[in-house]
Amino acid sequence: QSALTQPASVSGSPGQSITISCTGTSSDVGSYNLVSWYQQHPGKAPKLMIYEVSKRPSGVSNRFSGSKSGNTASLTISGLQAEDEADYYCCSYAGSSTSYVVFGGGTKLTVL
Amino acid sequence: QVTLRESGPALVKPTQTLTLTCTFSGFSLSTSGMCVSWIRQPPGKALEWLARIDWDDDKYYSTSLKTRLTISKDTSKNQVVLTMTNMDPVDTATYYCARIEGGDWWFDPWGQGTLVTVSS
Repeated sequence: QSALTQPASVSGSPGQSITISCTGTSSDVGSYNLVSWYQQHPGKAPKLMIYEVSKRPSGVSNRFSGSKSGNTASLTISGLQAEDEADYYCCSYAGSSTSYVVFGGGTKLTVL
Repeated sequence: QVTLRESGPALVKPTQTLTLTCTFSGFSLSTSGMCVSWIRQPPGKALEWLARIDWDDDKYYSTSLKTRLTISKDTSKNQVVLTMTNMDPVDTATYYCARIEGGDWWFDPWGQGTLVTVSS
């Protein structure tokens, strides 16, 4: 069982917006602004989409945005496109008293 | 351009020790703030962070796997090596290495990954 809880699947139609939640605890998501999100297409390596809760790396579309409230982080994808269909993983720093880094169980995004 | 590539055996037997090498280019592990981590993913399952090594040779390990893992670096060869002892079939996974910049805790970019199967 993963340390961070994500919905197993979400879906949306092209052009719509979807949000993926990532629920942790006061020891990880709630304590640090070090939440990151990764996109993984089948058979490919993960790709960084969001870091430090809401920052986008160079080259990542501004359709991707991140936020956090309390122990829950969220990834929002607006203007859904077919190429967004992938697995998405959240990740949080969890401090030296635990295992430093925890990942979510992953969310399968289906573009209808 | 930063690239990383994992290499190692595709098949190991239970109880054996796994040695994986991450060979990278486009950055140096002697530069302040640069780090490399290992992360694995069992088939069809989620990602699991394993270990990290920093430019100053600081090392960090997953609590649950700490007794089995050793991470090291060869700066002159631009390589990071991960060893995992006492391999078990549950350790079957794709193993990735990834860069960390600025001493923080996000991973970018990742290598392509190498699938390791543990079976007799």
